[in-house]
Amino acid sequence: QVQLVESGGGLVEPGGSLRLSCAASGFIFSDSYMSWIRQVPGRGLECISYISGSQDDVYYADSVKGRFTISRDNGKNSLYLQMNSLRVEDTGVFYCARDMGFGRYDPWGQGTLVSVSS
Amino acid sequence: QSALTQPAYVSGSPGQSIAISCTGTSSDVGSDRYVSWYQQHPGKAPKLIIYEVSNRPSGISDRFSGSKSGNTASLTISGLQAEDEAEYYCCSHAVGRILLFGGGTKLTVL
Repeated sequence: QVQLVESGGGLVEPGGSLRLSCAASGFIFSDSYMSWIRQVPGRGLECISYISGSQDDVYYADSVKGRFTISRDNGKNSLYLQMNSLRVEDTGVFYCARDMGFGRYDPWGQGTLVSVSS
Repeated sequence: QSALTQPAYVSGSPGQSIAISCTGTSSDVGSDRYVSWYQQHPGKAPKLIIYEVSNRPSGISDRFSGSKSGNTASLTISGLQAEDEAEYYCCSHAVGRILLFGGGTKLTVL
């Protein structure tokens, strides 16, 4: 079945770095846009980045531009999010999702918690 | 503050129908047919239940339906069941290929 499994979250101090991973299975990963979506209590959901299958179409929300880098390895069916210069306000649950276009995210991974605190 | 406005809470009794609204602007909800809805149970990931205003993914009950009028989209759940108790989020494509989410609506089944 179509499945996404995230890993890599954890506790990090402000200014630190983390790399999130998302392992995909059950669909043609290389043909799919993929997105990272963050859920912050009190601030809801935000699509912070997406990448096309061919990696020539990449988007970052203003809130993470210049600090986060999305990438993928189609040979490993894996999606990544390198997060640098982390801030307290980056704290939240990060989900990877297959992006079927125009707000159609299906499925989502189980999420991985990122906590930025000193 | 979320760009799309949803009521914070709605409630209904088993068997009843409820509707959740999602209000935006002519630049997002009102601009095209790309409104989706997600259901999220506590501790779980969001799940797509409606896309392109009124389409249901395979496996989603026909008790869930979507519609849109002007700048407001709506999710209707008919024949309310205890398992429907969850948080519901709307999402809309906006000009510039930006995706906006609503702040979420907590549905309580009485």
